[in-house]
Parts: sequence; structure tokens; C-alpha cells
Amino acid sequence: NAGVMQNPRHLVRRRGQEARLRCSPMKGHSHVYWYRQLPEEGLKFMVYLQKENIIDESGMPKERFSAEFPKEGPSILRIQQVVRGDSAAYFCASSLIGGISTDTQYFGPGTRLTVL
Amino acid sequence: GENVEQHPSTLSVQEGDSAVIKCTYSDSASNYFPWYKQELGKRPQLIIDIRSNVGEKKDQRIAVTLNKTAKHFSLHITETQPEDSAVYFCAAGGSQGNLIFGKGTKLSVKP
Repeated sequence: NAGVMQNPRHLVRRRGQEARLRCSPMKGHSHVYWYRQLPEEGLKFMVYLQKENIIDESGMPKERFSAEFPKEGPSILRIQQVVRGDSAAYFCASSLIGGISTDTQYFGPGTRLTVL
Repeated sequence: GENVEQHPSTLSVQEGDSAVIKCTYSDSASNYFPWYKQELGKRPQLIIDIRSNVGEKKDQRIAVTLNKTAKHFSLHITETQPEDSAVYFCAAGGSQGNLIFGKGTKLSVKP
């Protein structure tokens, strides 16, 4: 019974390159959330997706960041033209039920992005 | 916007003592309050959660209390052990389904 999977676990990019982070939710879960954690800080909500739909992207920066959760395959968080300030740990979480009656969210191991 | 305040930011206790971490939230529509434990370099792990229809929940040495009127909830760890040392985060379930996290409490349990 695999939990939430994320890859890669570590990603190094140079300024201006693109970063693609993948998240496979727990089996049976159709709700995915992405959070960003800066060193020594808490987790900040970025985006909430269901299959083929973005439900809430209020935490996403307006430029360079995008997310998708296609009908088949993992959810992807894409960061274009990375800058040093994008260096952080990116966690995804999944839940069985989403919406107002917030269901338990289970976290993946995270992707640690370093921008040189 | 929605906000969760968490105190204290650091907490040091002797093994066997109790530890209490407190959080307040701003969104009165929040109805789900989980607590996560995060060890260095690891994922946040759910340790206990409470929903707005109950005031208290206990699981062995861990308990959480909720006061919806005051928009306040707390984590209580009794008989602390060195392996309880970690960063603990409270969170409030937002009206859209996302979680709003506090900034964390670094708990150190000294043997």
C-alpha cells in the first residue's frame, strides 16, 4: 500500500532553467495539494487540484508557476525560469475527499529544489 | 486572509514532562484541525486531528483540545520522550479544502 510518491527527491537547476516536480497520490485519492516549505518555516499552500481540474490556485505565484493533474499520470508542478528564491522543499499531499469538509491529507517525502 | 498563529516557536522540556503547543486561527469556517510532526529532512506526518464537532480527542500520550468560540486549539504531549523531539505544525482546514499551517514549534526533549 504505497503512500504518496514524489520524484525527484532532490533537484538542482541553474537560474533560468525549468523544474518539473511529480507527485503520485495514494491509491484511490483524487485530490492533490502542493505546498512549499522554506528553510526553518512552515508549509505554505500553493494549489489544490482534482483530476483534470484546478480547484484553488490562490497560493500560486502569478508568473512562472503552473500545475496540472491529468486524467492519467502524476500531478506535475512546473516552475519556469527558476530563480534562487525558488529554492525550497516542495511537498505534495493527497486526500480521499476534498472540499469544505476537509479530509485527512497525507504528505509525500518532498522534492528539495536547489537553484544555483 | 486566513491565518494560523502558533506558540511557542521553540519548547524545551525534560524527559517525562508534558509539552503544550497552542494555535489560534482566523477563519471561522475552518472545521478541521490536524497536527503534524516533522523530523529533520522528512515529510510531515499526521499525529492527531480533530474536527469541529468535538472538543477533545486523545490518542495515548497525545491529546488535542478545540475551543471553536475562541478559535483556539492546543496539542498536549504527556510523558515526553527524546524521540518526541521534532518540529510540530498545527493547521486549520481552509474553506476551500486546503490547509493553513502555523509556523511550527521546535520541541526538544532532554534526557
